[in-house]
Parts: sequence; C-alpha cells; structure tokens
Amino acid sequence: GENVEQHPSTLSVQEGDSAVIKCTYSDSASNYFPWYKQELGKRPQLIIDIRSNVGEKKDQRIAVTLNKTAKHFSLHITETQPEDSAVYFCAASIGSGGSDYKLTFGKGTLLTVNP
Amino acid sequence: DAGVIQSPRHEVTEMGQEVTLRCKPISGHNSLFWYRQTMMRGLELLIYFNNNVPIDDSGMPEDRFSAKMPNASFSTLKIQPSEPRDSAVYFCASSHRDTFRVFGPGTRLTVT
Repeated sequence: GENVEQHPSTLSVQEGDSAVIKCTYSDSASNYFPWYKQELGKRPQLIIDIRSNVGEKKDQRIAVTLNKTAKHFSLHITETQPEDSAVYFCAASIGSGGSDYKLTFGKGTLLTVNP
Repeated sequence: DAGVIQSPRHEVTEMGQEVTLRCKPISGHNSLFWYRQTMMRGLELLIYFNNNVPIDDSGMPEDRFSAKMPNASFSTLKIQPSEPRDSAVYFCASSHRDTFRVFGPGTRLTVT
C-alpha cells in the first residue's frame, strides 16, 4: 500500500519567515495530494490540495509543489503568522475525495510561529 | 450546512464498558469514514462506508470494534468491551465523489 513520509516532525519559525514542510510517497499511481491543518483540540481541515496534472498551486500565503518524478510534494507558507501555528498533515491517494478511500496521511508536522 | 456532527464530544468510561460513538455526515455525501487519532499512530482509517455499505473494515483493530450505517444520515462506532488502549480521538469524516474529505469535531475517548 501507499506510504507517506513527512518531514520535519516539528518546525519553529519567527513570525514573518517562511515555512516549508516536505512529504514523499511510495505509490507512483497516487495522483491526489491534500494538506490538512489541525489546530490544538480541533478537527483536521483541508487548506489546499493538488492533483498530479499540476506542478504548483497557490492560495494567498500558502502554496504546494509536486514533483511526480521524485514522488515528493511540499507545502510552503510565506509571511507566517502566529495563527499558522498548528499540526499540518500531508496525504496521498489515487483519485480524490470519495473516489479513492485510501487517503494515506503523513505523521504530521507541528509548526510553531513565534511572535 | 452544519458540517459533520459527532456525539458525544467527550466520553470517559471504565474499562469493560460499552462505548457508542455517533456521526451524522454532511447531507448528500455518500462516503463516510471513521478515523482514530493517537500521538503514536497518527490518523488511522478504521472503516469506510460507501452508500451506507461497509466497503473496507481492515483498519478495525479487533472484534471489540464494530460500526454500522443504517441510513445515509447516521453511523455508529461501538467498542465493547472498552480497554484503556482504546483511548484516542475518534473522527468521523464524509465526502462525495470528487470532493474533499470533511472531518467532524471528533470524540475524545478516555478509558480508565
């Protein structure tokens, strides 16, 4: 089955700096890569996703890049703010949403943005 | 839309007791997922329903765990008997074909 590795497990940055979280996946058939943000005591919430026919996607201060050849994808957060502090999970699946239920999650990255 | 609804939000029970967690998916979503989250194991998929039918329960830890979806708007996850190692946050999530997975607020289960 799919295996998703996520690094680093913890990341501390100063407010205003950029943060990068990296994930690798094992199944070359995977073509859907969402990122979820989970604040302390809250539910995981989708913040951005990318499909394999796209190399990069941006939404304001967050962006995701995908390298299918190397089987890795990354989350980039620019101009970080204290409210960006949370655990971020990457995930991979074949298909999207309900069309493939085996969405495999990484172990998560605890991002701390220091004011 | 109220989103995915779970109850109870917190459950504290003694070892050996039966625990029932409940979930109401988003209306119109035909896929429902139960996840367990712990520090050690992260987010684990326990069971997946599609159109109310269990498709894959390979993630259910053992026979003490069971899940049902009697209709499109309700699902339960039952643990009988409960054990301290079952302590975790249990999330229900739902989605529709080609939509992203939406998680409920979770149930924090503590078994003493």
